[in-house]
Amino acid sequence: QLQLQESGPGLVEPAETLSLICTVSGGSISRSPYFWAWIRQPPGKGLEWIGSMYYRGSTFYNPSLKSRVTISIDTSKNQFSLRLSSVTAADTAVYYCARHSYDSNTDGDYVGYWGQGTLVTVSS
Amino acid sequence: EIVMTQSPATLSVSPGERATLSCRASQSLSSKLAWYQQKPGQAPRLLIYGATTRATGTPARFSGSGSGTEFTLTISSLQSEDFAVYYCQQYNHWPPYTFGQGTKLEMK
Repeated sequence: QLQLQESGPGLVEPAETLSLICTVSGGSISRSPYFWAWIRQPPGKGLEWIGSMYYRGSTFYNPSLKSRVTISIDTSKNQFSLRLSSVTAADTAVYYCARHSYDSNTDGDYVGYWGQGTLVTVSS
Repeated sequence: EIVMTQSPATLSVSPGERATLSCRASQSLSSKLAWYQQKPGQAPRLLIYGATTRATGTPARFSGSGSGTEFTLTISSLQSEDFAVYYCQQYNHWPPYTFGQGTKLEMK
């Protein structure tokens, strides 16, 4: 059974870079033809897609965050990571790592698996 | 960017009754729409994809309908564990993938 687990600092200072890692178990990133994603949720608010990376390396980012976001994959550790630079209080959120699943009927990719999420607070 | 609008923001329903949640897209999605359930302190859980297909483990009382720009999630007979926040998400026009703002289903 596929499981995803986020890890990283729970507190980041303003203007610094937020860095999170998602460790995948129950499946190999390098042998899974899927997108791996980061999604966030500010406290008490809705969900915002940050970006996704295809297992072969293509990346797609939310235009609203594109200038500050980097998603990368480390197949040797079966992990993928998120870096978000120049953070402000508005970046305080629960960050989820996730995996897309392919819908052959519609030829589309929806988010099929989610990690439990990790709260990152931006504050000095 | 596709804007997803869910209504109502809050829905109060008694256990055993039927709940109907709506999701509207600013452009046609064909059937590329998913529904998620989120309980407090938990990650979202996939319920429906392709507008109408129940995900593995989704009870039969949950059903999705619609195509184009208008979609509905129906829960036929509410159980206590169904009270949660529900989100719709489009995956037809991306980036970015976009979510609705959520409907909170509360016990009446």
